[in-house]
Amino acid sequence: AQSVTQLDSQVPVFEEAPVELRCNYSSSVSVYLFWYVQYPNQGLQLLLKYLSGSTLVKGINGFEAEFNKSQTSFHLRKPSVHISDTAEYFCAVSMLRGATNKLIFGTGTLLAVQP
Amino acid sequence: DAGVTQSPTHLIKTRGQQVTLRCSPKSGHDTVSWYQQALGQGPQFIFQYYEEEERQRGNFPDRFSGHQFPNYSSELNVNALLLGDSALYLCASSLRPGTTFYNEQFFGPGTRLTVL
Repeated sequence: AQSVTQLDSQVPVFEEAPVELRCNYSSSVSVYLFWYVQYPNQGLQLLLKYLSGSTLVKGINGFEAEFNKSQTSFHLRKPSVHISDTAEYFCAVSMLRGATNKLIFGTGTLLAVQP
Repeated sequence: DAGVTQSPTHLIKTRGQQVTLRCSPKSGHDTVSWYQQALGQGPQFIFQYYEEEERQRGNFPDRFSGHQFPNYSSELNVNALLLGDSALYLCASSLRPGTTFYNEQFFGPGTRLTVL
């Protein structure tokens, strides 16, 4: 079975400051890794994904994440945040192989950008 | 190119009633998955449909059922509603497992269900 832990339920940060949202996962098999963003009263939008290859993955809106297999982590970073980045961020995994692509989500981290 | 669409946007029901939610997948996709997102939680997988059959199911009771139509659209039905069924219900579409790029799922805006 797979599980995802997002260690911070809320991260307050000032505009133009850097931010890191933490994600750790547990799985007995290899997994794909994802970060999704959810703006208020909206569905989920894919920010970035790690499937294979380079462990540093770049996504939309200036976000990037680094896959660390030894630490089973997939932390999300942005060097300078904007007010418009205020949203809920979800880390998720799915099995690398098998007859399913269902996503297992963490509980989310609210990024609150302050002016 | 239309993305994933869901209807209705909001719904209010009372305990014991039944509800049907609808989803149309992104063009070119043949697989639909449903997720329940309770307030303050991450989405939880309910089930997945392709080729008009339920292929995998999460840890949800039989009160939750679904259907997929020949045009790949899908319905989620919930019977005997409980207060705890209040949540945002998200539909996601993808290619079927085993195909190239099947791992990427596109989400709709969701249906907000409130049970009173």
